[in-house]
Amino acid sequence: QKEVEQDPGPLSVPEGAIVSLNCTYSNSAFQYFMWYRQYSRKGPELLMYTYSSGNKEDGRFTAQVDKSSKYISLFIRDSQPSDSATYLCAMSRAGTALIFGKGTTLSVSS
Amino acid sequence: GAVVSQHPSWVICKSGTSVKIECRSLDFQATTMFWYRQFPKQSLMLMATSNEGSKATYEQGVEKDKFLINHASLTLSTLTVTSAHPEDSSFYICSARPTSDEQYFGPGTRLTVT
Repeated sequence: QKEVEQDPGPLSVPEGAIVSLNCTYSNSAFQYFMWYRQYSRKGPELLMYTYSSGNKEDGRFTAQVDKSSKYISLFIRDSQPSDSATYLCAMSRAGTALIFGKGTTLSVSS
Repeated sequence: GAVVSQHPSWVICKSGTSVKIECRSLDFQATTMFWYRQFPKQSLMLMATSNEGSKATYEQGVEKDKFLINHASLTLSTLTVTSAHPEDSSFYICSARPTSDEQYFGPGTRLTVT
């Protein structure tokens, strides 16, 4: 079993839809959870960062961490064509390198 | 804040030559920087962890003599691909960590070896 599992998609939604992206993990020692957005041929951009369990909201984006289930989610409300990108979940223990999921490719059509 | 730059953004070199890629944290100090490689439609693969003033730690399967990493200051790390071959063609991305958890990525360097 890989440490971090993420459905690669692709995921296609119409503009305005609510998007749900998910990752599961196996290492219960992970404490830091992040979501990155990556456009084609660009470096990943940090979208959301969460420490331990709980929810975090930033504009149209909400990140959730459920450590008991080893499951994290990113919700995008009112999705826009500009949200079309690859979304990568990543997580780590304190002071260690990030472990990435494979990324989910999202396409939002107008 | 938390901006990381890379130079060059794109480089083409001939087989057998060496290429140096720079990674700079522009508005923060980073004791730790990371180098990743990404092939098309694949996720990031960690190559090495670079700590300022000490030797880099390489991931299993990454040749340390081929991918030379130097982290000479708190804002600069370099990756040198020595004797590059076409199979080294890839997208190389660095990241820098200002605290113990968050990481910020550079824009990446596309290397093409002909």
